[in-house]
Amino acid sequence: SQTIHQWPATLVQPVGSPLSLECTVEGTSNPNLYWYRQAAGRGLQLLFYSVGIGQISSEVPQNLSASRPQDRQFILSSKKLLLSDSGFYLCAWQGTGVAKNIQYFGAGTRLSVL
Amino acid sequence: DAKTTQPNSMESNEEEPVHLPCNHSTISGTDYIHWYRQLPSQGPEYVIHGLTSNVNNRMASLAIAEDRKSSTLILHRATLRDAAVYYCTGGPGGTSYGKLTFGQGTILTVHP
Repeated sequence: SQTIHQWPATLVQPVGSPLSLECTVEGTSNPNLYWYRQAAGRGLQLLFYSVGIGQISSEVPQNLSASRPQDRQFILSSKKLLLSDSGFYLCAWQGTGVAKNIQYFGAGTRLSVL
Repeated sequence: DAKTTQPNSMESNEEEPVHLPCNHSTISGTDYIHWYRQLPSQGPEYVIHGLTSNVNNRMASLAIAEDRKSSTLILHRATLRDAAVYYCTGGPGGTSYGKLTFGQGTILTVHP
């Protein structure tokens, strides 16, 4: 069966520090992968999506970047964090076949920038 | 993207049915209606989706209006574990790219 892993679960970082959040998927090949952010009490905002290795599309301009160095690995990065980067970051993969309309989310990383 | 409108909160008693409404008047003819739910400090969980016909699965039923401008998620017998934020969203179905846009959702409280 397929599983998705995100780490770390929580992170506290000072303003101006770098960021690297990792997401890996098991049990599927060449999935569409997504990074979302959820501000406190708000809905989800799509940040990046990827349809394959090295292919990244950005939905909104921001202080973040994403990379997909391997088929089932998706990384969210920043060179210098801002206070506004705080939030709940979620990685998701899109099902295939009969589940092609479904996205499966990881447990998320709660980032606090102080 | 389809704009959706949901009530901010709803309450139910355990083992009673719950009907969660959603308006999506701007949904395109090819967009699917998706429902997800999110427990505190967890990622969203898929509940159900449909295009035009009513849909049933082990978790819930989805009733879609004939004009597709609204839908209702039906939990037939609410349990305490169903307490969550429920999101309704419109999104492309069957394409290579499935962006989901969630609004603020409906906070469902289930009383024992």
